[in-house]
Amino acid sequence: DAMVIQNPRYQVTQFGKPVTLSCSQTLNHNVMYWYQQKSSQAPKLLFHYYDKDFNNEADTPDNFQSRRPNTSFCFLDIRSPGLGDAAMYLCATSRGRQAQQHFGDGTRLSIL
Amino acid sequence: DQQVKQNSPSLSVQEGRISILNCDYTNSMFDYFLWYKKYPAEGPTFLISISSIKDKNEDGRFTVFLNKSAKHLSLHIVPSQPGDSAVYFCAASARSYGGSQGNLIFGKGTKLSVKP
Repeated sequence: DAMVIQNPRYQVTQFGKPVTLSCSQTLNHNVMYWYQQKSSQAPKLLFHYYDKDFNNEADTPDNFQSRRPNTSFCFLDIRSPGLGDAAMYLCATSRGRQAQQHFGDGTRLSIL
Repeated sequence: DQQVKQNSPSLSVQEGRISILNCDYTNSMFDYFLWYKKYPAEGPTFLISISSIKDKNEDGRFTVFLNKSAKHLSLHIVPSQPGDSAVYFCAASARSYGGSQGNLIFGKGTKLSVKP
């Protein structure tokens, strides 16, 4: 049974049109992460929530926002997607920051 | 600048032989290292980890070796099986420093192909 679920698996949006990716988990983990992974690159952490506390990485563009309305759900909002934002977006969870992370299967975002 | 480097983008091995995947790191604060395995169209799944207080950790066919002085770790798979064909990511964190230092830093991955 999938424990970290990302929807949709594939998302196509137009240049500049806001898009939201979603992640849900059944593990009741208190930490949720969003990573961006471009082709043949390392997954790059965008931000994470430790409970309700939002932690943004210093080099994450302002164009990327996140919401965590409850323990189970976390959203990634891209306000004005550019062509360079086409990538795989991975959600992960962990029990505590220093614990092993569990990943969803990702959402592949394409920009037209 | 990459803090975790996997210098081999790909590796091809015959079934039954040993696969050795390598990873180098630059940050001396890293004290916890993990390997993740990723099949196409799936998310990474945890494979094995090692703390900096150890130099070896073994789990079935998978063994991770850590050489702190060289800032190098390797994953050995013996014997290799076709089902091991996947992308393997090395990751590191400065877990004992707490806070965001515990975040994982990933390498770019090595694609392993095990041929029957």
